[in-house]
Amino acid sequence: QSALTQPASVSGSPGQSITISCTGTSSDVGGYNYVSWYQQHPGKAPKVMIYEVSNRPSGVPDRFSGSKSANTASLTISGLQAEDEADYYCSSCTSSYTLVFGGGTKLTVL
Amino acid sequence: QLQLQESGPGLVKPSETLSLTCNVSGGSGSNNNYYWGWIRQPPGRGLEWIGSIYYHSGSTYYNPSLKSRVTISVDTSKNQVSLKLTSVTAADTGVYYCARHGTIRSLSGYWGQGTLVTVSS
Repeated sequence: QSALTQPASVSGSPGQSITISCTGTSSDVGGYNYVSWYQQHPGKAPKVMIYEVSNRPSGVPDRFSGSKSANTASLTISGLQAEDEADYYCSSCTSSYTLVFGGGTKLTVL
Repeated sequence: QLQLQESGPGLVKPSETLSLTCNVSGGSGSNNNYYWGWIRQPPGRGLEWIGSIYYHSGSTYYNPSLKSRVTISVDTSKNQVSLKLTSVTAADTGVYYCARHGTIRSLSGYWGQGTLVTVSS
């Protein structure tokens, strides 16, 4: 199985909005509404920010939102804050009952 | 509050078997209807799903790229999930996380803090 495709890096200024894409195929992202997004700060465990494409776990700010169109899922962070600077990973299930991650995107808050 | 704690040797020699356990504490209710997964992260690199097990039935699901070397099992008497990875090389070095997730379709749920395993002679 191939990793999902994410941009290596994105950046934005405080208060701005950014979007991170996650591209797969019809056998993973496009075929199921099970895309998740994880935030990882250096030296820390990943934290679920979005599950099932667009759902936020309790405690995650509503500045974080998720969507999907065809084989590409997106994570949007609005009102960017300094503490949002982290690595972000998407994941999806596949048609083979396996799970696959994206390569990760480093978000820099300028 | 559910807590997952990974444990095991921090150093493993090449060609040997990496063995880790995930101990579960806290939380309420049964673990029976959950999946337990292992994920790893090489230094400076991205996340890789290793595999998952359904606690109730013991059914396992593995990453095809690791399937020939991986065994995930459950010890219900100890509330423990184990990972064994055979014939390790330096490429298996990284932080290993365990996670409890509600469906095989997603790893969203509780994650442990991870444990670093180095493969070196």
